[in-house]
Amino acid sequence: EAQVTQNPRYLITVTGKKLTVTCSQNMNHEYMSWYRQDPGLGLRQIYYSMNVEVTDKGDVPEGYKVSRKEKRNFPLILESPSPNQTSLYFCASSRREYTGELFFGEGSRLTVL
Amino acid sequence: GENVEQHPSTLSVQEGDSAVIKCTYSDSASNYFPWYKQELGKRPQLIIDIRSNVGEKKDQRIAVTLNKTAKHFSLHITETQPEDSAVYFCAASIGGADGLTFGKGTHLIIQP
Repeated sequence: EAQVTQNPRYLITVTGKKLTVTCSQNMNHEYMSWYRQDPGLGLRQIYYSMNVEVTDKGDVPEGYKVSRKEKRNFPLILESPSPNQTSLYFCASSRREYTGELFFGEGSRLTVL
Repeated sequence: GENVEQHPSTLSVQEGDSAVIKCTYSDSASNYFPWYKQELGKRPQLIIDIRSNVGEKKDQRIAVTLNKTAKHFSLHITETQPEDSAVYFCAASIGGADGLTFGKGTHLIIQP
């Protein structure tokens, strides 16, 4: 089954404790991206990757890091989480760039205390 | 960068009536306009998209129209049903490396 898998789905952590949200896709997609969703603000892009070893900042990259060492994986790293990073995070992938369908993961709800 | 405005933020219609959600974009170079539906607690999923060389596209009860001159596009849902209740997001992209810019979403409520 074609899918984008994120883990963990839910996480409560404390300020400053490094965490990683994993994302994996099995569709051999070149393009992958991370979004955060906040009430009233819609979906905002954090980082994206056009292919292996190619990543770039989206609209709200501050406080986040990413890596793309393999085509299927695109982890989101919060080196020192802060309460303003409490949000619902979605990983997404598409076959090429995004003039095509974006496939979203199920989302990861993160709470930073 | 691109800016997408979406209205209304909440829309309540009677079951069986039509619903229209409108979006405007700022970058005249944008050429791809998808719409995503997000049911409560679920992930966003593409329901329809349109490219700049097309003025209208239909898929059963949903349709999207694009006015490039005015830089706006709209989602039309006819004969609304309870399962249409969701948050709908419009988006725009110029393609290449710049990504999709989403609107803030419209919460569509179908009243029985």
